Amino acid sequence: QSALTQPASVSGSPGQSITISCTGTSSDVGGHNYVSWYQQHPGKAPKLMIYDVSKRPSGVSSRFSGSKSGNTASLTISGLQAEDEADYYCSSYTNSVTWVFGGGTKVTVL
Amino acid sequence: QLQLQESGPGLVKASETLSLICTVSSGSISSSSYYWGWIRQPPGKGLEWIGSIYYSGSTYYNPSLTSRVTISADTSKNELSLKLSSVTAADTAVYYCARGFLEWLSNHMDVWGKGTTVTVSS
Repeated sequence: QSALTQPASVSGSPGQSITISCTGTSSDVGGHNYVSWYQQHPGKAPKLMIYDVSKRPSGVSSRFSGSKSGNTASLTISGLQAEDEADYYCSSYTNSVTWVFGGGTKVTVL
Repeated sequence: QLQLQESGPGLVKASETLSLICTVSSGSISSSSYYWGWIRQPPGKGLEWIGSIYYSGSTYYNPSLTSRVTISADTSKNELSLKLSSVTAADTAVYYCARGFLEWLSNHMDVWGKGTTVTVSS
């Protein structure tokens, strides 16, 4: 299985909105609504930010939202804050009952 | 609050078998709504799913690792186990265990351990 495709980096100024894309195939992103997004700060474990394409776990800011169109999922961070600077990974369930991750996107707050 | 703690040797010799344990506290690994997974992250690189074990005992592995990996569960100890054989330097990584939640129209890994670093030496 091939890793999902994410941009290596995305940046924005405080208060702006940014969107991270995650492109897969019809066997993973396009075939299921089981796409998750994780935030990872340096030296820390990943934290679930979005699951099932667009649902937010309790305690996650409403500034984080997810969507999907065809084989591409997206994570949008609105009202960008300094604390949002981190690596973000998408993941998708696949037809083979496996999970596949994206390569990760480094978000920089300018 | 559910907690997961990975443990095991921090240093493994090349060609030997890497063995890790994930101890689950404040929750049972025997619930039918949950499954359990292992994920790793090489230094400076992204996340890689290793495999999962379900309530039924069924296991599913990353196709790139399936010939070398075994995941098992010990319900009496509330522990999960990961074994990866014939390791090389490419297996050097932080290894995480995670809980997966699976119900009608919902499937995701929501609780992760802090991870344990494994270095493969030659």
